[in-house]
Amino acid sequence: EAGVAQSPRYKIIEKRQSVAFWCNPISGHATLYWYQQILGQGPKLLIQFQNNGVVDDSQLPKDRFSAERLKGVDSTLKIQPAKLEDSAVYLCASSLFRQRNTEAFFGQGTRLTVV
Amino acid sequence: AQSVTQLDSQVPVFEEAPVELRCNYSSSVSVYLFWYVQYPNQGLQLLLKYLSGSTLVESINGFEAEFNKSQTSFHLRKPSVHISDTAEYFCAVSEHTGGFKTIFGAGTRLFVKA
Repeated sequence: EAGVAQSPRYKIIEKRQSVAFWCNPISGHATLYWYQQILGQGPKLLIQFQNNGVVDDSQLPKDRFSAERLKGVDSTLKIQPAKLEDSAVYLCASSLFRQRNTEAFFGQGTRLTVV
Repeated sequence: AQSVTQLDSQVPVFEEAPVELRCNYSSSVSVYLFWYVQYPNQGLQLLLKYLSGSTLVESINGFEAEFNKSQTSFHLRKPSVHISDTAEYFCAVSEHTGGFKTIFGAGTRLFVKA
């Protein structure tokens, strides 16, 4: 079974530029998550999708971050414009169902450096 | 609001020694509890989870964790560690009610020395 795929693995951009990350979840997984992991901290949930609908985006900085999952499969996370404090690893995860006891499978993440 | 505290940011230990990674949580409702592991240059993967029933849960590679409701803890233990256990370990909690959100602790870096 293929895992969660993310690209790119690494990205370096200047502040005020825009960037996009892509995630392909495990086939058949209805729930998709984007987490932000700043160095030295645990992952913080940015947004959670159930199929192509948003179920939680309470911690997404909506003035600069956006995410979509148009066909209920792949997802993209965009930052525009980027700030220095956005430097982090962006993790995508997926699970079969929205229930809290369902294991989430994580991709390897995209390491973003904003200079 | 739920929160997770991992009391140690780094734990160095010699190979074959026992180890305990501490995790305390705060929540006003019942919770599910998880330990995830992140090996160098790899993604997070589930190590073990407590949903209900027996308060002692085990992983396939010798780790165990015990849910202690009175102390709101879910400490991770292994009686004898290997070099290959070197990784970052994250405790996570998910509430039974309210928002569908899993909160992670800041992580504990386990470093096993030869």
